[in-house]
Amino acid sequence: AQSVAQPEDQVNVAEGNPLTVKCTYSVSGNPYLFWYVQYPNRGLQFLLKYITGDNLVKGSYGFEAEFNKSQTSFHLKKPSALVSDSALYFCAVRPSPENTGFQKLVFGTGTRLLVSP
Amino acid sequence: DVKVTQSSRYLVKRTGEKVFLECVQDMDHENMFWYRQDPGLGLRLIYFSYDVKMKEKGDIPEGYSVSREKKERFSLILESASTNQTSMYLCASTRLRGGVETQYFGPGTRLLVL
Repeated sequence: AQSVAQPEDQVNVAEGNPLTVKCTYSVSGNPYLFWYVQYPNRGLQFLLKYITGDNLVKGSYGFEAEFNKSQTSFHLKKPSALVSDSALYFCAVRPSPENTGFQKLVFGTGTRLLVSP
Repeated sequence: DVKVTQSSRYLVKRTGEKVFLECVQDMDHENMFWYRQDPGLGLRLIYFSYDVKMKEKGDIPEGYSVSREKKERFSLILESASTNQTSMYLCASTRLRGGVETQYFGPGTRLLVL
């Protein structure tokens, strides 16, 4: 069964510093990986996804993520954090459609990012 | 832009009441989902539907049912609300069954069961 781990409940970073939000996964076959962000009292918004190809994926709002197959990780990064990046971030995984049937998306427990001025 | 709307942002219900949560998407998506979000547990899939009148159980279907009579609308029903169903409920949709399209989420309904 597939699973996602976000080992940090909260990440604190000062504005202007680089940020990393960690995600590791377990899935049979090749993974499809996603990052979503949730601002207060809002639904989830898509940030980026990895399907295949270049291990470095660029997404919305200056975020990027690096797929590392050997470490089964998909960490979210941004070179320079903004206070407005403060939100709840979710990593999600699903198997590639090599398997038959519907493949659901499995979400991590979320990491709260707090960027201080 | 895809728009997913949910009928209520906040709901307060009493134990034993029947509760309806409505979700509507405007992009002709085939797949629709209901999740609940709880602190420390992330998002957990309750039910999903890949076509009109079709439904499949997710990870935590107990105490819930769903209805999809029209392609754009997916309803979550709490037959007899209980306090442990107090949660944030999120609806989502995607275009194709088995595809890797992004899931588009509604704003959520925060349900409090007293």
